[in-house]
Amino acid sequence: QVELVESGGGVVQPGRSLRLSCAASGFCFRCYGMHWLRQAPGKGLEWVAGISYDARNEHYADSVKGRFSVSRDNSRNTLFLQMNSLRPEDTAVYYCAKQRHGLDFWGQGTLVTVSS
Amino acid sequence: DIVMTQTPISSPVTLGQPASISCRSSQSLVHSDGNTYLSWLQQRPGQPPRLLIDRVSDRFSGVPDRFSGSGAGTDFTLKISNVEAEDVGIYYCMQARDFPWTFGQGTTVEIK
Repeated sequence: QVELVESGGGVVQPGRSLRLSCAASGFCFRCYGMHWLRQAPGKGLEWVAGISYDARNEHYADSVKGRFSVSRDNSRNTLFLQMNSLRPEDTAVYYCAKQRHGLDFWGQGTLVTVSS
Repeated sequence: DIVMTQTPISSPVTLGQPASISCRSSQSLVHSDGNTYLSWLQQRPGQPPRLLIDRVSDRFSGVPDRFSGSGAGTDFTLKISNVEAEDVGIYYCMQARDFPWTFGQGTTVEIK
């Protein structure tokens, strides 16, 4: 069965960096686009970034453009999100999700807290 | 960006009764490939979101048939035919026609 497991979250000071990982299993990882989304405490869902199956195309929300970078390693079935220049407003649970037409499978999420 | 607007924000429902959630997009969600990329997701308390409906009306694997989606262009509806206790949660519509992908603000379904 499809499984997505995020890791790398934690508490970080404003201006610092963090790298999230998403380990995928149970499907042809190299065949599908993958995405990162987030949910601030008590708030709704926000799409953050997406990457095509072959890593040739990346897309970002304006709120993270220039600070976050999405990448993937198809040989290791792993998706990454490099987050630089973190701000308090980046505090959220970060989810990775698999793309079919929309987003058909989601991980459990990893919490990122940006605070001094 | 495409703005997604859901109504109502909150929907108190009696067990066994139907519920309906509307979602309106600021632009047509019909893609140049002919598909309409409108999804519905459910988020139960303390859980990650879960896909219910894809491309307006395609029920995802394992989703009970009491959930149905309809609509076209810019107006879409999710219906729950007979609400059960396990349906409590927040429901989101999402468009995947254009980047940035965007969500409605969510509709909370609760039992009266």
